[in-house]
Amino acid sequence: GNSVTQMEGPVTLSEEAFLTINCTYTATGYPSLFWYVQYPGEGLQLLLKATKADDKGSNKGFEATYRKETTSFHLEKGSVQVSDSAVYFCALGPRAGNMLTFGGGTRLMVKP
Amino acid sequence: EADIYQTPRYLVIGTGKKITLECSQTMGHDKMYWYQQDPGMELHLIHYSYGVNSTEKGDLSSESTVSRIRTEHFPLTLESARPSHTSQYLCASSTNAGNTEAFFGQGTRLTVV
Repeated sequence: GNSVTQMEGPVTLSEEAFLTINCTYTATGYPSLFWYVQYPGEGLQLLLKATKADDKGSNKGFEATYRKETTSFHLEKGSVQVSDSAVYFCALGPRAGNMLTFGGGTRLMVKP
Repeated sequence: EADIYQTPRYLVIGTGKKITLECSQTMGHDKMYWYQQDPGMELHLIHYSYGVNSTEKGDLSSESTVSRIRTEHFPLTLESARPSHTSQYLCASSTNAGNTEAFFGQGTRLTVV
């Protein structure tokens, strides 16, 4: 079945540092891949997505490239801000019923 | 901004009470979902629906029940709340198209005392 593995957090960085959050997946077929962000007290918001191999999703300075050969979709940002502090979820879809499979989430804390 | 709404945002209720968490979406999505999020952040799918009059149990067993009488509405009910039901509940919806994202509501933080 489908599964997603994310690096465990928390990840603590200073402002303007480079961010990488690792995500690898197991899936049959050709799933789409997603990164969601959850700010404190809120629901999940779609951050970016990629629908096929070698696609790069990008949004708000964040990027992730769909790597089929390494089954990875690592999230990167060149210079993080305090406002990026949140929990980040990697997800893939669909499985049966068109539902997403989520990773366990990675908490990012950015210090001024 | 996604048009999916959950009410209430926060709820503190006594043990044994019946509660209903509301979820509505205005996007015309056929598929809707309820997730339970534990303090460790992990998301657990507890219910989903393919459309009107369709409801299915998710990966995590839950004492809650759901109904889908209208496309836009997917309420979750607990007949007798217990402290073990204390959690964050997230509602989501998506289209029928394959490889599509889900849109989430802001969540309901439930505390049972």
